[in-house]
Amino acid sequence: DSGVTQTPKHLITATGQRVTLRCSPRSGDLSVYWYQQSLDQGLQFLIQYYNGEERAKGNILERFSAQQFPDLHSELNLSSLELGDSALYFCASSEYWTDTEAFFGQGTRLTVV
Amino acid sequence: GDSVTQMEGPVTLSEEAFLTINCTYTATGYPSLFWYVQYPGEGLQLLLKATKADDKGSNKGFEATYRKETTSFHLEKGSVQVSDSAVYFCALSDQGNKETSGSRLTFGEGTQLTVNP
Repeated sequence: DSGVTQTPKHLITATGQRVTLRCSPRSGDLSVYWYQQSLDQGLQFLIQYYNGEERAKGNILERFSAQQFPDLHSELNLSSLELGDSALYFCASSEYWTDTEAFFGQGTRLTVV
Repeated sequence: GDSVTQMEGPVTLSEEAFLTINCTYTATGYPSLFWYVQYPGEGLQLLLKATKADDKGSNKGFEATYRKETTSFHLEKGSVQVSDSAVYFCALSDQGNKETSGSRLTFGEGTQLTVNP
């Protein structure tokens, strides 16, 4: 158990809908990362937050947004969902924003139908 | 930009066989290098890491050496077990300007390893 908690584990939704994925980092970790794992794109970095502020941005679509709350949990919001958004979404956390080592949650499997 | 290339899979071995999974990288800075493992239905777990040239990371019988001259970080294990069956990801992290930017992992494609008894 990495200490990173993601909910829900599975999510099935229709095209055009909006969903929110939640992540609670390890105790003491201030940095949260979101990654997308899909068959065609592999593992892609989406975004990083540190202590409530955005720190790094990767290949995140404009339809996607994230935030980190004062209690350090993070949410990834996916809107206007398309079939191609079906993927495994991982959250990871680390203590600092420059950490090279991150601990991953078990992921949320999103299926868009 | 940064990139990681892993040997194509899947890889199928018999128990106690020798394992090598090749990994090469391209990065502009001085990256840290990692191997992560993903067991079925689970998240990624850090297997080992190396933060500078010639460092050797090791864990659970797995080893990898950071080779700057060949930009490689090949994963090896002398005797694999059935329980090693999983997907293995090579990754790098390069923060760039440490004061202003964050960090991110760039992953390879992953290599599926199956070990038969």
